[in-house]
Order: sequence, then C-alpha cells, then structure tokens
Amino acid sequence: ETGVTQTPRHLVMGMTNKKSLKCEQHLGHNAMYWYKQSAKKPLELMFVYNFKEQTENNSVPSRFSPECPNSSHLFLHLHTLQPEDSALYLCASSQGAGDAGELFFGEGSRLTVL
Amino acid sequence: GQNIDQPTEMTATEGAIVQINCTYQTSGFNGLFWYQQHAGEAPTFLSYNVLDGLEEKGRFSSFLSRSKGYSYLLLKELQMKDSASYLCASMDSNYQLIWGAGTKLIIKP
Repeated sequence: ETGVTQTPRHLVMGMTNKKSLKCEQHLGHNAMYWYKQSAKKPLELMFVYNFKEQTENNSVPSRFSPECPNSSHLFLHLHTLQPEDSALYLCASSQGAGDAGELFFGEGSRLTVL
Repeated sequence: GQNIDQPTEMTATEGAIVQINCTYQTSGFNGLFWYQQHAGEAPTFLSYNVLDGLEEKGRFSSFLSRSKGYSYLLLKELQMKDSASYLCASMDSNYQLIWGAGTKLIIKP
C-alpha cells in the first residue's frame, strides 16, 4: 500500500457513542495531522504530531482525543460528540513538521453525528 | 487576524484559461500553497511559491506578489477533469498553514 489510508471512510454515530478514526501512512514521514473539513469552510487544523510527540492542539474540545503510537499511525478517539461535529476528518502527513506546507492527505472519514 | 480570501465558485469552458485569485493576510509569511481537491477525494498538493513571480508546471501556473498579499492559480487548456475545488493556503510565521475556504471550479463542455 502507498500513501495515506484512513478508516472508516464513513461513520454514523449517536451522541453517546465512542468510536475511533484510524490513519496510516506508508510514506516514511515523521509528522502527522488531523484536520476537520466542513462544507464551504476552511480546513481546520486539529492536532499535529511530530516524531510521535504532539506539538499542536488547536483548542480542540476534549471529546476529540488523538493518539499517535508511532510515526506511521494516528488515531482520533471520539466520544459524546455533538451534531455540529459532523464533518469530513482528514488525516495528513509530511516529511517533518517543518515541511507542513507539502501535505499528503488521506481521503477522509465522513462523520455524521445524530 | 489571519485571513485568506478566494472566490467561492467559478465556471469556465473546456479548452479555455481560468485564473483563480487568492488574497492573504497572515502573521508573517513562509510561502503560499495551492491544493486541488476533487469531490470525495483527498486534497493533493499543486504548487508552492515563496518568492515573487510565476511558477509554471505544465498546464498549471501559480503567481505570487508578496507586497500585495496576492496569488493566483492559472489553469490553461482546461479539461473536464480539472473540475474540482482549489484550496489556497498561506504559511504563517509559526509554519502553520492558514487555509481559504476553497474555490469550486466547474468546467463546461
């Protein structure tokens, strides 16, 4: 496999559920990112990991909890979400945090919160 | 505050040329990036400008004027497959990308 892979591609959950999004990159990159993409809005950076260490947390609510066990894998744990959290969640990677301009994105996980 | 402005939607004809403008205001500047995103797909990197001028890459070119806080993406010989959203992003002094909301480009035969 090559590139950045995200699973699941689609997820529907209730506000009381707990679920996780998974991202895996096969590019040998050292930095990984979670972005939120809502219709007609700019991409919102949520979290950045560089060499497995979290370097950015852009005031994201605690109902979103990231985990980066190694440089190739990134998770986003979801619990007690709100309907306004429905969006496309994109994972991306780059060579390092200093190369944050040239990002390689996965195809996203489309989340619907009922 | 930091802000990126680009048109919401544009329409062009197959075979023609289209220019997508982007103006930016960021705290510091470390480059201007363009990405393409087809519906339901991942954004893909198109171009990077950090110095003033035009960078050409096949049918696509990107221009930057730092003094004006302005960039454009120029697409020539438009093809139907160029129908997509084009995202402009400026990198600020903290090396963080500030994104525009994207321009949806519709190509008509």
